[in-house]
Amino acid sequence: GQNIDQPTEMTATEGAIVQINCTYQTSGFNGLFWYQQHAGEAPTFLSYNVLDGLEEKGRFSSFLSRSKGYSYLLLKELQMKDSASYLCAVSQDASGGSYIPTFGRGTSLIVHP
Amino acid sequence: ETGVTQTPRHLVMGMTNKKSLKCEQHLGHNAMYWYKQSAKKPLELMFVYNFKEQTENNSVPSRFSPECPNSSHLFLHLHTLQPEDSALYLCASSQETGTGTEAFFGQGTRLTVV
Repeated sequence: GQNIDQPTEMTATEGAIVQINCTYQTSGFNGLFWYQQHAGEAPTFLSYNVLDGLEEKGRFSSFLSRSKGYSYLLLKELQMKDSASYLCAVSQDASGGSYIPTFGRGTSLIVHP
Repeated sequence: ETGVTQTPRHLVMGMTNKKSLKCEQHLGHNAMYWYKQSAKKPLELMFVYNFKEQTENNSVPSRFSPECPNSSHLFLHLHTLQPEDSALYLCASSQETGTGTEAFFGQGTRLTVV
């Protein structure tokens, strides 16, 4: 089984930088995803990390340390539209050679002016 | 629009009713998933189909019955549900159930059991 932990809620100011952490304990680790979900909408893919290090994609970056079971999502130059829930999901070895993402509870980010 | 369409968007049903949720994807993916999203809880995986074969059943009660007639369509048949089954049911698809394949989610069906 696995345990995925991320903060329930964070607040930040428009234009600032915010870091959302995710820690996990799992067997058969095969990568970590971050998704964004606006209220009433579908989750949308942000990033995937399978090797240690930082992956940068525009204003969003994601970091992974496999030895520490730790990841973070970094959001720069925050905009009001970044207010959403951010879901950390760990891909683990399931059965028959398949890899299934299992999600954390999500972090609700509130960006205020 | 993610390429994954779910119908209906909202559903209210009594505990004795039978209803079905539908999911359709036009992305050419081979894997499809049902997730349950309840307030204050993580997304819970329910079922996984890969190339039309069910590969995962995450200890879901038998009142939920999935069906995957082809790689593009996935159904969730519901009968004799309980009020605690009220939740957002999300369908997703991915190229396959392999490493690093991102999932594309539908908008979900908001289910209320009365």
